[in-house]
Amino acid sequence: GAVVSQHPSWVICKSGTSVKIECRSLDFQATTMFWYRQFPKQSLMLMATSNEGSKATYEQGVEKDKFLINHASLTLSTLTVTSAHPEDSSFYICSAEDSTDTQYFGPGTRLTVL
Amino acid sequence: GQQVMQIPQYQHVQEGEDFTTYCNSSTTLSNIQWYKQRPGGHPVFLIQLVKSGEVKKQKRLTFQFGEAKKNSSLHITATQTTDVGTYFCAGRGSGTYKYIFGTGTRLKVLA
Repeated sequence: GAVVSQHPSWVICKSGTSVKIECRSLDFQATTMFWYRQFPKQSLMLMATSNEGSKATYEQGVEKDKFLINHASLTLSTLTVTSAHPEDSSFYICSAEDSTDTQYFGPGTRLTVL
Repeated sequence: GQQVMQIPQYQHVQEGEDFTTYCNSSTTLSNIQWYKQRPGGHPVFLIQLVKSGEVKKQKRLTFQFGEAKKNSSLHITATQTTDVGTYFCAGRGSGTYKYIFGTGTRLKVLA
């Protein structure tokens, strides 16, 4: 099946720093990628939809200046958490959608902000 | 906005027993997907249902999409310890591009 990679798999940073997370579809082109956030033992919360070559569409309550999304190519989307604070600590998961509307998820990135 | 609820939230079963999780959307869906997430892992796609009343089977798993396209179910026959995990449905509303994930059902199978 299709493979989506995410990097890094985990990151620990100091409060106030910025963290970039990469999401890549390895063997297919994804016009659309999604970014989710998941708290422990909870469901996935959609943060934004990333479309190649255009601005991301953010869900209500998600700060676009806080979570910068760039979809530079059909295989790469990045999420940058700017000026991270402890409340931003979470599990961030991306997914890439293929031509059949199937979402393939990356392995996730666990962010811990000290 | 669109909401997708799942029941039960948790389910403990003895190995060999059947298991069912139900997914209910507040709005009509164009399609619905099911995912399984193992502890510590990421969601893995199981299946997509598109048609009203559609039923699909994957070995011991049976997926159903309601006639009104607002609910769905996943039934596992004769559970095994490998079925442990959280099962999520994800519904795409009519005229939208995004999927809203259900609240999930966490399944534990006791050997």
